[in-house]
Amino acid sequence: AQSVTQPDIHITVSEGASLELRCNYSYGATPYLFWYVQSPGQGLQLLLKYFSGDTLVQGIKGFEAEFKRSQSSFNLRKPSVHWSDAAEYFCAVGNSGAGSYQLTFGKGTKLSVIP
Amino acid sequence: ETGVTQTPRHLVMGMTNKKSLKCEQHLGHNAMYWYKQSAKKPLELMFVYNFKEQTENNSVPSRFSPECPNSSHLFLHLHTLQPEDSALYLCASSQDGTSATGELFFGEGSRLTVL
Repeated sequence: AQSVTQPDIHITVSEGASLELRCNYSYGATPYLFWYVQSPGQGLQLLLKYFSGDTLVQGIKGFEAEFKRSQSSFNLRKPSVHWSDAAEYFCAVGNSGAGSYQLTFGKGTKLSVIP
Repeated sequence: ETGVTQTPRHLVMGMTNKKSLKCEQHLGHNAMYWYKQSAKKPLELMFVYNFKEQTENNSVPSRFSPECPNSSHLFLHLHTLQPEDSALYLCASSQDGTSATGELFFGEGSRLTVL
């Protein structure tokens, strides 16, 4: 069965600093990978996704992620963090199985931004 | 109204009560989902409906009863819940419930507290 590990529960960065959130997945076939963001009191919003092709994908709000098959990783990056980026970030792997589509999520990484 | 709307946003109920959560999507999607989000645990998929048919029941206790009268509406009926059922319940929709490449659109969630 597929699984997703986000090793960092909580990360604090200064505004303007760079950011990298780690995600490792376990999946037998070619994975479909996603990053979602959840602001306090809100639902989840898709930041970006990877299905195939270029291993560096661009998303909304200036985020990007790089798929590395050899490391089973899909880390999220942003060159300069803004205070509004403070939120919880979830990595997910998707698959079609048993006739329905499922997303398996990691436990999330909470990002705090220091002004 | 746009997107995915969930009501109520907050619900407090006793263990013997019966209540329902409602979800409505205005995106013209064909698949709808219930997820449970508990503190310190990954998002757990509960149910999937594709074209009004339930295609996934992820070993959810029978005290949770879903209902999908049409592709735009999804309910979660609750009865004789336990305190450990307290969580944020997220509804989501996607264009096609059998494709792993589809994006999930989430509602803001219903925060449930069981006393």
